[in-house]
Amino acid sequence: EAQVTQNPRYLITVTGKKLTVTCSQNMNHEYMSWYRQDPGLGLRQIYYSMNVEVTDKGDVPEGYKVSRKEKRNFPLILESPSPNQTSLYFCASSLKFTGSGHEQYFGPGTRLTVT
Amino acid sequence: GQQVMQIPQYQHVQEGEDFTTYCNSSTTLSNIQWYKQRPGGHPVFLIQLVKSGEVKKQKRLTFQFGEAKKNSSLHITATQTTDVGTYFCADNTDKLIFGTGTRLQVFP
Repeated sequence: EAQVTQNPRYLITVTGKKLTVTCSQNMNHEYMSWYRQDPGLGLRQIYYSMNVEVTDKGDVPEGYKVSRKEKRNFPLILESPSPNQTSLYFCASSLKFTGSGHEQYFGPGTRLTVT
Repeated sequence: GQQVMQIPQYQHVQEGEDFTTYCNSSTTLSNIQWYKQRPGGHPVFLIQLVKSGEVKKQKRLTFQFGEAKKNSSLHITATQTTDVGTYFCADNTDKLIFGTGTRLQVFP
């Protein structure tokens, strides 16, 4: 089944404790992206990757890191999480970069709480 | 930077009533994608509009792209409880810029 998977689905952590949210897709998509969703703010892009070893900042990259060593995986790293990073996170992928008109497939989401 | 706003923010309707959400951009839109997110779920792609003035239909859903490519709308005819969720428009350039979303609640 074609899908985007994220782990963990729920995470409660403390300020400053490094964490990684994994994202994997099995559709051989070139483009992958991370979003955070907060009430009243919609979905905001954190980082995106047009292909392996190519990543770029989205609208809200501060406090996050990503890497794209393999086509299928695009982990999101929070080196020193803070409470303002409490949010719902979505990973997404599409065949090509978004400007080409391809739809994005979203993972199920990771709800992160930082205390 | 570009802002994509949606109105209304919330809409409560009785089942069988129509519903419309409007998407407005501060700049000319490249092309528009629409997504639906069910409560507790993730966004799911509905459709893409590319041409100025384009109108597309999916059963009870009608999508329009403004003539000036600065706005778009989604109209649902005769809502059903399965239509409940948040509807997002997104400008599809080198990245996807999402609108603020409209949350639809349908009462049976």
